[in-house]
Order: sequence, then structure tokens, then C-alpha cells
Amino acid sequence: DTAVSQTPKYLVTQMGNDKSIKCEQNLGHDTMYWYKQDSKKFLKIMFSYNNKELIINETVPNRFSPKSPDKAHLNLHINSLELGDSAVYFCASSRGGSLEKLFFGSGTQLSVL
Amino acid sequence: AQRVTQPEKLLSVFKGAPVELKCNYSYSGSPELFWYVQYSRQRLQLLLRHISRESIKGFTADLNKGETSFHLKKPFAQEEDSAMYYCALLSYNQGGKLIFGQGTELSVKP
Repeated sequence: DTAVSQTPKYLVTQMGNDKSIKCEQNLGHDTMYWYKQDSKKFLKIMFSYNNKELIINETVPNRFSPKSPDKAHLNLHINSLELGDSAVYFCASSRGGSLEKLFFGSGTQLSVL
Repeated sequence: AQRVTQPEKLLSVFKGAPVELKCNYSYSGSPELFWYVQYSRQRLQLLLRHISRESIKGFTADLNKGETSFHLKKPFAQEEDSAMYYCALLSYNQGGKLIFGQGTELSVKP
């Protein structure tokens, strides 16, 4: 049983396309996150949702739009993909806020050509 | 500015040698610090947090507020310790977020 699952694992697409990454957690956690890991392995938070409510919205282009239909899901939609969006995107969840242990998904490697 | 710095991108040691992965932070309040680890082909996972004052897999980390450091140490490295290690700082701005360092890849050679 995978605690935090995200799909797809790999995503290769052309510049200008729109794509979505899905994330689901079966841990009953209230908080979910999206992190971006760049080519230098630097990990940075993008968004955080608590019980479907947006809590953290870092300085991310508005081409990125998270959507949380319920507290077990947090999807990431990206419009008009650019080369610089190529990265590994990690979903995570925690019982409360970030003081609690974060459980990470296995990552989605996005390559924009 | 809140920041976490891991000065070493790669650290290579031999099995049985002591290991120290450096982490320095910049934070105006009372810091909450963590170490996360990513083993090959596995998910990023919590290794330890300073509030718990725990030792996990032989690793310890002490918060030194004077030096603003939270270095991760292990007296005798094992090959299975080879992984990517991230130091993280909890920032209470905007409801709390984890600020990660750049990561240090630890390679333990036989």
C-alpha cells in the first residue's frame, strides 16, 4: 500500500503544452504539499494545502495551479509549459503542518522539450 | 532571510570512518530543524528532527545556536548510509513551511 502516490512517474512533453500531475495520499493526513527539485537537487516548496485550503503559495508562476478536490488529493496543473519547468516534482503529506513528519511521493520527472 | 546551507555537494568516506554532514541555517526565531534522507530508488524520508533529540541508524545531530549549525554525525559510516541528505528548517511564516538545503550526497566506499 503506497502512502503517497503520484502519477505519472515520468512526463515528457513539448513546450507550450498543458499537463497535470496527480497526487493522492491514503494516510488520512490534513496537509499536502508540492515541492520542486531542480537539476542541482535543490528542493523548494511550491504549495501547501490544509484540508483543501491553500496555506502556502510560494513565488510560483501562475501557470502552475494546484487543485485539491478533497483532503486526500492535491493535483498540480501546469499551463504553457516552458523549458525551465523541467524538474522532478514531489508531492508530500503530513498529519498537521510541517512540524509533523512529511511523507513524500516517489516524484514525477517532468521533461519539457 | 531564512536559509539553509549545506556547503558540501558530495562527501565521500570509507566504511568505518566517522562522517559529518554540515548544515548551517539563518533564522530569526527559535529554529526547528530536520534531516531528511533519500536512498537510491527510494522516497525522501525523515531521518531525525532536533526536537526529538533522537538517534536514528546511528546518526545524531545537535543544534548549536551559537554557530547556527545542525550538523549530522555518525561515528562509523556504513555502505548502506550512502544516500542524499537534506537539512531542513521549519519557517513559521505563512503557516509553516520547510526550507531545504541544497543536499549533500554521501558516498560510503567499502
